[in-house]
Amino acid sequence: QSVLTQPPSASGTPGQRVTISCSGSSSNIGSNYVYWYQQLPGTAPKLLIYRSNQRPSGVPDRFSGSKSGASASLAISGLRSEDEADYYCAAWDDSLSGWVFGGGTKLTVL
Amino acid sequence: QVQLVQSGAEVKKPGASVKVSCKASGYTFTSYYMHWVRQAPEQGLEWMGIINPSGGSTSYAQKFQGRVTMSRDTSTSTVYMELSSLRSEDTAVYYCARGLIAVAGSFAGYWGQGTLVTVSS
Repeated sequence: QSVLTQPPSASGTPGQRVTISCSGSSSNIGSNYVYWYQQLPGTAPKLLIYRSNQRPSGVPDRFSGSKSGASASLAISGLRSEDEADYYCAAWDDSLSGWVFGGGTKLTVL
Repeated sequence: QVQLVQSGAEVKKPGASVKVSCKASGYTFTSYYMHWVRQAPEQGLEWMGIINPSGGSTSYAQKFQGRVTMSRDTSTSTVYMELSSLRSEDTAVYYCARGLIAVAGSFAGYWGQGTLVTVSS
């Protein structure tokens, strides 16, 4: 049971815009930044979004992050086949004094 | 460029300990915190703890308190994660991951390739 809640799956067709949600509480997302990661099969996670809505250099602007209250979202526009991967959100939790992850969302490009 | 190279796969028996290394290069080793994250087969990511390579201070997730020890060797720019009293549920890929920004509250920005630890009798 993950501290942050994500839908287990999401899907879209090429060119479409999809969003992945991440729900938490006042002790994590509600008071701290959110990070988003992409994990392709058999590889290490890759940082997509930090500080809730900032993209590291090299990450396409098709990826965007937002936060409202105790929830966050990752949006992917212009969906491509190579976006098919697992996506994870993460945040610091003040009550646990540690970093917590969502359970992950498997994105399928139809 | 930032590189984190981890040690090779390990097979351990229940009750044993394992020590995974992570050699850093391409940046000032002591300026960035290092996290350890694990991923059991077909499961999600789980944060284990963090070490400050500058002074060696550590902070561990409650779940691993008493069983995990993180350390560093500044002469070789290497961090270590040792997990003791291994059980089958500890079978996972273990990742080191460097903080993105040189501040304490920065989460993982760069990741090692992962080390598979298999616990089996």
